Amino acid sequence: QKEVEQNSGPLSVPEGAIASLNCTYSDRGSQSFFWYRQYSGKSPELIMSIYSNGDKEDGRFTAQLNKASQYVSLLIRDSQPSDSATYLCAVTLQGAQKLVFGQGTRLTINP
Amino acid sequence: GAVVSQHPSWVICKSGTSVKIECRSLDFQATTMFWYRQFPKQSLMLMATSNEGSKATYEQGVEKDKFLINHASLTLSTLTVTSAHPEDSSFYICSANSGTGVVDTQYFGPGTRLTVL
Repeated sequence: QKEVEQNSGPLSVPEGAIASLNCTYSDRGSQSFFWYRQYSGKSPELIMSIYSNGDKEDGRFTAQLNKASQYVSLLIRDSQPSDSATYLCAVTLQGAQKLVFGQGTRLTINP
Repeated sequence: GAVVSQHPSWVICKSGTSVKIECRSLDFQATTMFWYRQFPKQSLMLMATSNEGSKATYEQGVEKDKFLINHASLTLSTLTVTSAHPEDSSFYICSANSGTGVVDTQYFGPGTRLTVL
């Protein structure tokens, strides 16, 4: 079992709809959770970080963490074509500084 | 947010030569920096963790004699690809920990695209 798993997609969502991206992780001691956005040919850009159970909202983005289910998600409201990218879920394992990445979900927003 | 730069942004070299890539944290001090490699349509692969003033910690399968890492100051880490070969062609990305709160957050540089002929 991979440490961090994401559906690779592609996920297609119509413009203006809600895009839902999901991620599961295997280490119950994981402490920090991040969502990065990566455009083709570019490096990852931090979108959201979340550390405790529940929801965290920032503009059109909402991160949700459920440690009991070992599940973290990212919701993008009012999706725009500019949101089309690969979204990487990353987790800091217990006692470690390094990030463990999922394989990424490719999201396409259709005008 | 924290800014990380990389230089060069792209480089083309001949097989057998060495290439140095610089990673700088511009507006914060980073005791820890990370080097990743990314092949097309794949996720990031961590190569090594670089701590200021000490030897880098390499991930399993990464040749430390081929990928030399130096973290001489709190704002600069370098990766040198020695005796590069075409299979080393990849997108190399660094990141730096910004310890601004309880938990460090990694901020990524823009990446360096290496092509070995």
